[in-house]
Formats: sequence, C-alpha cells, structure tokens
Amino acid sequence: AQKVTQAQTEISVVEKEDVTLDCVYETRDTTYYLFWYKQPPSGELVFLIRRNSFDEQNEISGRYSWNFQKSTSSFNFTITASQVVDSAVYFCALSEYNNNDMRFGAGTRLTVKP
Amino acid sequence: DAGITQSPRYKITETGRQVTLMCHQTWSHSYMFWYRQDLGHGLRLIYYSAAADITDKGEVPDGYVVSRSKTENFPLTLESATRSQTSVYFCASSEFLGLAGGHEQFFGPGTRLTVL
Repeated sequence: AQKVTQAQTEISVVEKEDVTLDCVYETRDTTYYLFWYKQPPSGELVFLIRRNSFDEQNEISGRYSWNFQKSTSSFNFTITASQVVDSAVYFCALSEYNNNDMRFGAGTRLTVKP
Repeated sequence: DAGITQSPRYKITETGRQVTLMCHQTWSHSYMFWYRQDLGHGLRLIYYSAAADITDKGEVPDGYVVSRSKTENFPLTLESATRSQTSVYFCASSEFLGLAGGHEQFFGPGTRLTVL
C-alpha cells in the first residue's frame, strides 16, 4: 500500500523566515497524485495543491512553492517569507490512479512567531 | 448553502451506544469519503463510496458502517461506540478528474466525537 512520511513533527520559525516542509512517499503505481492540505487552528482542511506523477514541474503560487522530485520520491513544500497566518498543520497526501484510498502523512505543525 | 456539511459538529456519547454522523454535499460529486483524524496518524480513510449504493472499505473500517442511498448523503454509523473511536471525523467528496487530475477532495468542517 502507498505510504506518506512527514518526518518533521513540529517546526517553529520567526516571521519572514523561509521554511520547507518535507514529504516523502512510497507507491508501486506509475500513475499517482500528490497533495498538500493546510489545517489552520480552526480545524478545517484547506486544499493547497495537487500534482500528478507525470508532471514534475515545480510550482509557485505567491509565497508558496512545491518541489516534486520523482527520483527521491519527495514532494516538498516551501513557504517564503513566512507569516503568522501560516501557522497551521500541513498534510501531504498521496492517492494512486487505481486506488481511491488517499493516504495522508502524520502532518507537520508549523508555528510562525511574530 | 453549497458545499459539504457535517452534523453534528460535536457529539459526546457513551461506550456501547450507536452514533450516526451525517455528511451532505451539494456538488453532486460521485465520490464521498470518511476519515478519522488522530494525533500522530494524520487522516485515515474509514470508508468511501464511488456512487450511490456502492461503498468500499478504507484503511480502518472496523466498528463502522456506511450507507449511500442518495448521491448527496453519506452517513457513518458507529454501531457500538468504543473509547478508541474518540476522534475527529471528516467527510470529503470529489469527482474523478481523469488521468491527469485524479481526485481533488473537498472536506467538510469535521465532527468531534467523544466516547466516554
């Protein structure tokens, strides 16, 4: 079965610092999808990005960027110039084309201090 | 209102009681999912449904029952609640976007369930 590992349980940074959240995945499928979700203190899950396995282009959206590397099975997430509002738990997730079972990592709690 | 809703948002029950958590979506998405969120585990899939009257087990289905008689509703029942089922439960819905897109799941606000 597929597996997602977020080795960083908690990260604390000071505002304006850059921070990278790591995500390593395992899958036997050649077609799969990777996701990042944000869970702010209010508890809802907010979709951030989806990337399929045959599109290795990195993506930038404002202060957010994602680095997808199939060679190392990683899909890392970088926040540039972090802000207090970025404080949340961030989840990386993986689903396979032939399997509706989306697997989530354990999450990384990011705290951005003013 | 459009979107995905869950009810109740908070529930306290006792061991052995039956509890049903409701999930309703207005997008007419084919797929619906139930997850539980526990510290250290992220979200784990309990059951999912690909269409009305089609359901399948996820990673942690034991102790739970689901049904889907209508596309928009996907209730989750704990037939005899146990303390280990104390958790936050999230419902999600999605459409399959094809080979390029896969599933983009949209989540409800969650139900916090406490079993005493």
